[in-house]
Amino acid sequence: QVQLQQSGPGLVKPSQTLSLTCAISGDSVFTNTGAWNWIRQSPSRGLEWLGRTYYRSKWYNEYAVSMKSRITINPDTSKNQFSLQLNSVTPEDTAVYYCVRDDSGLVDWGQGTLVTVSS
Amino acid sequence: DIVLTQSPDFQSVTPKEKVTITCRASQSIGISLQWYQQKPDQSPKLLIKYASQSGSGVPSRFSGSGSGTDFTLTIDSLEAEDAATYYCHQSSSLPYTFGQGTKLEIK
Repeated sequence: QVQLQQSGPGLVKPSQTLSLTCAISGDSVFTNTGAWNWIRQSPSRGLEWLGRTYYRSKWYNEYAVSMKSRITINPDTSKNQFSLQLNSVTPEDTAVYYCVRDDSGLVDWGQGTLVTVSS
Repeated sequence: DIVLTQSPDFQSVTPKEKVTITCRASQSIGISLQWYQQKPDQSPKLLIKYASQSGSGVPSRFSGSGSGTDFTLTIDSLEAEDAATYYCHQSSSLPYTFGQGTKLEIK
């Protein structure tokens, strides 16, 4: 059974960088059948897909166009985890952030991290 | 981006009732449509993948149908534990998008 454990700060100041990590157990970040996603949820925007990383003989990253200039999703192969960095945050980035394994559907979800952007 | 529109937004139902939630896509997505259940303070849980395939461990009272632009989630004989918000999600093309959600209240 795959489990995803999120970690990272719950409070970020405006203009700073939001950083979250998702530790994977029960699967490998190198899986050839899945992808590793970040999704966020807020009352105003609902569920919003941010991007993903996956390995198919090499690493691929795909991002939502609305995030493309600010977002980085990276695998950490030494720790079997992946991360999210979102730069230049504003209060509109306040949301619950989820890491999610995608394998014929968004099958496994992290516990969610409420990130508040406020000074 | 593909827009998914669910109906209704809210429904109040009694136990043992049959519930139908619909999801309409702004363009054809084949069968690349999933359904999720989210209870308060929990992460979403996959119920149905590829429009009609049950997720792992999902009770048989949950079923899905449809293709193209129109999809349906059906809950036969509703139970109290089914009180939740239900979302559809398309995986036909990036960016992945979601419906706005349908909140089910149990009377």
